[in-house]
Formats: sequence, C-alpha cells, structure tokens
Amino acid sequence: AQSVTQLDSQVPVFEEAPVELRCNYSSSVSVYLFWYVQYPNQGLQLLLKYLSGSTLVESINGFEAEFNKSQTSFHLRKPSVHISDTAEYFCAVSGGSNYKLTFGKGTLLTVNP
Amino acid sequence: EAGVAQSPRYKIIEKRQSVAFWCNPISGHATLYWYQQILGQGPKLLIQFQNNGVVDDSQLPKDRFSAERLKGVDSTLKIQPAKLEDSAVYLCASSPGAGTHNEQFFGPGTRLTVL
Repeated sequence: AQSVTQLDSQVPVFEEAPVELRCNYSSSVSVYLFWYVQYPNQGLQLLLKYLSGSTLVESINGFEAEFNKSQTSFHLRKPSVHISDTAEYFCAVSGGSNYKLTFGKGTLLTVNP
Repeated sequence: EAGVAQSPRYKIIEKRQSVAFWCNPISGHATLYWYQQILGQGPKLLIQFQNNGVVDDSQLPKDRFSAERLKGVDSTLKIQPAKLEDSAVYLCASSPGAGTHNEQFFGPGTRLTVL
C-alpha cells in the first residue's frame, strides 16, 4: 500500500517570496512521484514528475522538486512566486505493477500582492 | 489537440435519484480513469479502463456505482441511487496507455451535489 501526506493544507505567501510545499510518502515498493496543479475552475495538470535519474526535477514555470529517498519526501519549491501561481497543488505517488496514482489531500497556495 | 471533455459540469440531485456523467478522452488514449474528489481531499481512483476492459475497480462502490466504456473511447459513470456522501467532483482522466508511467490528462470535472 502507498500513501501521501501533504503537511500543509494552506500556504499564504506574498508575491516574489520563496515557497516550499511539503510532501511525504510511504510505499513498500519503488516509487514514482508527481506534482499536479489545479488552477481555479480548471482540471488537474501535471507540473513535474520523478521517474528515475536525477533526483532534482524542474518544471517549465520555475518550480522544482527533489526526491529524497532517505526522508521519503518530494517537496516542491519555487524561489520567487507570482500571483498566477495561486492554485491547489497535489502530490501523488505511483508504485508497483498497476501504476495507480495515490494523491495527497492538496495544498492551497495563495499568492498575495 | 482537444483535451478531455466531461459533461455536465454541474449537477444537483436529491438523494436516492440516479445520475450519469460522460467523459470523452483525448483521441487515441487507450487508458481512461474515473476519480472521485471529495471537498478537502485528493482525487481517489474509482475505476481504470484499458481500452474497453476494466483494469482496476477495487475502490468502486459496486452496489451503487457502475461505469462502462463500450467502444474503448468515451465512458459513462452512473450512480444509482445517490447518497448524500456522493457529493463530490468526479474527474475523468486519460493517458496514452497503461503499463508505464504515462502522464494522465484530466478533464474539468463534474461537480455533483446530492441534497
């Protein structure tokens, strides 16, 4: 069985401030990790993923996440956020033979001017 | 490229009524998923299809929920009869194929309110 814990349900920050959204997972098998983003009134979109190789993965809009196997974490970071980053962010894990995605409860990131 | 389409976007029904949701995946995507997202929680997989066959329906409440994907393209999810706890957003997603960690592409969802 696998599970995901997103430690913060809401994260308010000011524009241009750095942000970290925390994600911890548990799994009995090798895992693959994902961050999805849901902008207001839109569907979920893949932000970035870790499948193998470099433990640091980046998105096209400045977010990055680092897979830390010893700490079972996959925290999402951005050095300087914009108003347009306001959205709900979901961490997800997939492992085993069925590739089923298990999502965390989500973190609402609100960027204030 | 057109995305995943879902209809209706919103539905309000009374408990014990029936409801159906429709999903049209991205053209050529073999794998289709239905998720339930209750307010304050992450999406939970209800059922996964590979073409028109069921891969995983372990979390589908089969006494009241049913889903089909007859021609391996679009799909319907039905609830009969609905309960108050079924109030949620129902998300459809598709991916090119199962068996690898393909990206799942999500539709906008159907928000169901059961009164």
